Amino acid sequence: DGGITQSPKYLFRKEGQNVTLSCEQNLNHDAMYWYRQDPGQGLRLIYYSQIVNDFQKGDIAEGYSVSREKKESFPLTVTSAQKNPTAFYLCASNEGGFEKLFFGSGTQLSVL
Amino acid sequence: AQTVTQSQPEMSVQEAETVTLSCTYDTSESNYYLFWYKQPPSRQMILVIRQEAYKQQNATENRFSVNFQKAAKSFSLKISDSQLGDTAMYFCAFMKHGAGNTPLVFGKGTRLSVIA
Repeated sequence: DGGITQSPKYLFRKEGQNVTLSCEQNLNHDAMYWYRQDPGQGLRLIYYSQIVNDFQKGDIAEGYSVSREKKESFPLTVTSAQKNPTAFYLCASNEGGFEKLFFGSGTQLSVL
Repeated sequence: AQTVTQSQPEMSVQEAETVTLSCTYDTSESNYYLFWYKQPPSRQMILVIRQEAYKQQNATENRFSVNFQKAAKSFSLKISDSQLGDTAMYFCAFMKHGAGNTPLVFGKGTRLSVIA
């Protein structure tokens, strides 16, 4: 079945540590997105990529980095510069326009 | 920049009753798409319904329908015959129409509880 796989489901970060969240899709979608969800804040865009080897900052990109070396993969690194990383992270992809966004099942990141 | 506002942080409805969730948005675009997503306790995001701005007819999907008022920039969701499984967070979202893929802008959500 086609879909988006996020791993791990739960992740813990120590002070000063970088951690990487994985996002893989087998839907052959060009566009991929990372959103952060905090209680009462909705979903806020971190980064997005419209095509391989290209990506753009979203509204809250500070303290995060991404890469898009392969069409199917869009990993997100939460760096030590992100001082408040505790949140639920959602990866998504689509073909654009009126096509719906496909979401992964999310990663809950917490700080030890 | 586009913004989406959901003014009702929480709502509740009795099973089998009808409830309406509000959403307003701000944009200078003339062509765009609007969506309602549902996030149950599992936290999986599920598309409920979508509307193209150039279509005047309101979208419907079984028990879910929208009231799209383009001039007022309003996009409310009506859930008829509410069921316990409708208990979830509901997010309104906006997508600008244009070349290539543009990200969705989400509202802060409305937490809906369906009471037996």
